[in-house]
Amino acid sequence: DTGVSQDPRHKITKRGQNVTFRCDPISEHNRLYWYRQTLGQGPEFLTYFQNEAQLEKSRLLSDRFSAERPKGSFSTLEIQRTEQGDSAMYLCASSNRGETQYFGPGTRLLVL
Amino acid sequence: AQSVTQPDIHITVSEGASLELRCNYSYGATPYLFWYVQSPGQGLQLLLKYFSGDTLVQGIKGFEAEFKRSQSSFNLRKPSVHWSDAAEYFCAVREPNFGNEKLTFGTGTRLTIIP
Repeated sequence: DTGVSQDPRHKITKRGQNVTFRCDPISEHNRLYWYRQTLGQGPEFLTYFQNEAQLEKSRLLSDRFSAERPKGSFSTLEIQRTEQGDSAMYLCASSNRGETQYFGPGTRLLVL
Repeated sequence: AQSVTQPDIHITVSEGASLELRCNYSYGATPYLFWYVQSPGQGLQLLLKYFSGDTLVQGIKGFEAEFKRSQSSFNLRKPSVHWSDAAEYFCAVREPNFGNEKLTFGTGTRLTIIP
């Protein structure tokens, strides 16, 4: 199996712009998770999908954030009107039956 | 709510020496427990996990961890560290119920290896 992949790996944007990140899970993994990691901290849960259904969203996921997994395969995470506080590493993970999550390399976002 | 404490922010160990990284959790029942490792600028790699059964679990790269229910701890150990072990180590927990699958992470322990 290939691992979880994320694109892009790095993104620099100006405050107020919209950005979109993509995550491709391990094939046949039906669960997909998004986390955010700021400098010096552990990852914090944002949201997760089982197939195409979004089952849980953290209060960290403000209304500027939206995640989709339209066909139960890849997922996108969009941030609208980015703020400097959105600068972080965005990590995606997938799992087969929900027990063990395998992480991708992350997308590092810098908002100027 | 569950929480994870990694009391050591930074640990420095000589190459070849033994290592123990501490992890304590707060949760009513026995959660699922994990250790992940993160190299600079990279994602997280799973080292090992505990769900139930034998409280001493073996992982990759020569790591092991011991679950101690009485101490709410899941400490990571390695008998002899290598320079390539330098990284950030995260302990994580999740509830053992399907449908509540989010991982809660500690703040991490940065491991430095000196020659």
